[in-house]
Amino acid sequence: AQKITQTQPGMFVQEKEAVTLDCTYDTSDPSYGLFWYKQPSSGEMIFLIYQGSYDQQNATEGRYSLNFQKARKSANLVISASQLGDSAMYFCAMTNFNKFYFGSGTKLNVKP
Amino acid sequence: DAGVIQSPRHEVTEMGQEVTLRCKPISGHNSLFWYRQTMMRGLELLIYFNNNVPIDDSGMPEDRFSAKMPNASFSTLKIQPSEPRDSAVYFCASSQTAPSGSGLDTQYFGPGTRLTVL
Repeated sequence: AQKITQTQPGMFVQEKEAVTLDCTYDTSDPSYGLFWYKQPSSGEMIFLIYQGSYDQQNATEGRYSLNFQKARKSANLVISASQLGDSAMYFCAMTNFNKFYFGSGTKLNVKP
Repeated sequence: DAGVIQSPRHEVTEMGQEVTLRCKPISGHNSLFWYRQTMMRGLELLIYFNNNVPIDDSGMPEDRFSAKMPNASFSTLKIQPSEPRDSAVYFCASSQTAPSGSGLDTQYFGPGTRLTVL
């Protein structure tokens, strides 16, 4: 069963605009962690942001924020004021019970 | 601080040859992960070590693959014999897992090894 679903294979956004990348997850465990990683064309995996299932507030890291809706089991990544350097693949991931699941990724293209 | 270090960065070999990939985790991290990434299958977890002990190797595709972690600062992933379908990018990641072992900790990835088996 698929644990992490990213329904947007590719997206375009205009530079300086905000963009939301969707992620839904599936678990029955109350304790889990949600992550977003960025993979630019150079290939490295860069950690962006983390949300714990018990965290009361949505996580934020600079221009990145995680819109955590627990009841809907969604953990969307919001990038504000997009920059050309944000063009990359973005992966949503979940951990629980020492298991680790990655989504299939969303390719974001930022247009000048 | 040095991140996760992987070597080699690129490896080209012929079918049937042995391939050894190396990883040095971030100092102080006690968990280490090996992943494989392909276009067809995405990112797959191969094996996970905690305190140098393999915890979950259910992702290891077959007996041709083996991984070791002889100490806290070094791990290897070996493929013997290699096949063209093993061509992929192999990532090593490490994390600092809390004693409770909930596994909710951020993983930091190395730059990856791009393996091509001809």
